[in-house]
Amino acid sequence: GENVEQHPSTLSVQEGDSAVIKCTYSDSASNYFPWYKQELGKRPQLIIDIRSNVGEKKDQRIAVTLNKTAKHFSLHITETQPEDSAVYFCAASRIKAAGNKLTFGGGTRVLVKP
Amino acid sequence: SQTIHQWPATLVQPVGSPLSLECTVEGTSNPNLYWYRQAAGRGLQLLFYSVGIGQISSEVPQNLSASRPQDRQFILSSKKLLLSDSGFYLCAWSQRTDSGNTIYFGEGSWLTVV
Repeated sequence: GENVEQHPSTLSVQEGDSAVIKCTYSDSASNYFPWYKQELGKRPQLIIDIRSNVGEKKDQRIAVTLNKTAKHFSLHITETQPEDSAVYFCAASRIKAAGNKLTFGGGTRVLVKP
Repeated sequence: SQTIHQWPATLVQPVGSPLSLECTVEGTSNPNLYWYRQAAGRGLQLLFYSVGIGQISSEVPQNLSASRPQDRQFILSSKKLLLSDSGFYLCAWSQRTDSGNTIYFGEGSWLTVV
């Protein structure tokens, strides 16, 4: 089955700096890669996703890049703000696979220091 | 629009007692349904998923069971809780289409086994 590794496990940045989280996946057939943000005590919420036919996707201050050959994808947050402090999870799956199961990385706790 | 609800939000149960967490989805039909568990400060572990009424797939051997008595209802149960069952339980759903595997989470249920 799919295995997703996520690094770093914790990340502390100064407000206004950029944050980068990296994930690698094992199943070359995976073609859908979402990112979720989970604030303390809350449910994970989708912030951005990318499909394997796209190399990069951007939404305001967040962007995701995908390298299919190397089987890794990254989340980039620019101009970080205190409200970006949360745990971020990457995930991978195959579109059309039975059950649409997502395999999650272990999470990255991001702390933005004012 | 689609919504997902799960309850109860929090519960404290003694070891050996039964458990029932319930989840319902509104605004869609024939969804994929999931139960995830998140131990304190840890990642998301898929426990069960269902592609239809009465169809349950278990991802990990454990003390829990799941049932889907109706199209948009998913129930997580245990006959006898263990201390290790404590955690944050998340119900989730996704569309059964080819457009993507986005999973949407419920608000979560905090379970403490004492």
